[in-house]
Amino acid sequence: EAQVTQNPRYLITVTGKKLTVTCSQNMNHEYMSWYRQDPGLGLRQIYYSMNVEVTDKGDVPEGYKVSRKEKRNFPLILESPSPNQTSLYFCASSIAYNSPLHFGNGTRLTVT
Amino acid sequence: GQNIDQPTEMTATEGAIVQINCTYQTSGFNGLFWYQQHAGEAPTFLSYNVLDGLEEKGRFSSFLSRSKGYSYLLLKELQMKDSASYLCAVMGGGGGNKLTFGTGTQLKVEL
Repeated sequence: EAQVTQNPRYLITVTGKKLTVTCSQNMNHEYMSWYRQDPGLGLRQIYYSMNVEVTDKGDVPEGYKVSRKEKRNFPLILESPSPNQTSLYFCASSIAYNSPLHFGNGTRLTVT
Repeated sequence: GQNIDQPTEMTATEGAIVQINCTYQTSGFNGLFWYQQHAGEAPTFLSYNVLDGLEEKGRFSSFLSRSKGYSYLLLKELQMKDSASYLCAVMGGGGGNKLTFGTGTQLKVEL
């Protein structure tokens, strides 16, 4: 089944403890991206990747890192999480940057 | 930067037609998407417009006017399951590859 898989679905952590949210797609998509969704603010792009080894900042990249070493994987790294990074995170992929996005099921992160 | 406006909430009756508007400002316009998002779920793709005009897909249609920076999503024969948030997203920016979402329109379908 064609899908975008994010893990974990739920994560509670403490300030400063490094974490990684994984994202994998099995559709051979070129484009991958990360979003956070907060009430009243909608979906905001954190980082995106047009292809392997090519990543770029979205609208809210501060406090996040990404890597795209392989086409299928695009992990989101929080080196030192803070409470303002408590949010619902979505990974998404598409055939090309101007094609419809396929979203993962989301990761609800709480930082205390 | 890019700016997108859409109404926060709308209410409509089952069986009726509803139009959800979206206005935007961007440079390097490269397409407009509509997504549907049910509460607690991921967004799912509904439609894509890059040229002016109407795109029809079953009960859902989407219209684009690039000169006016305006789009709408038209939902016909509303069903209770259409109660969801509808997200307008614009691809543009300097390089034409930056996707920005509006804050979404929460549609409530009532009996």
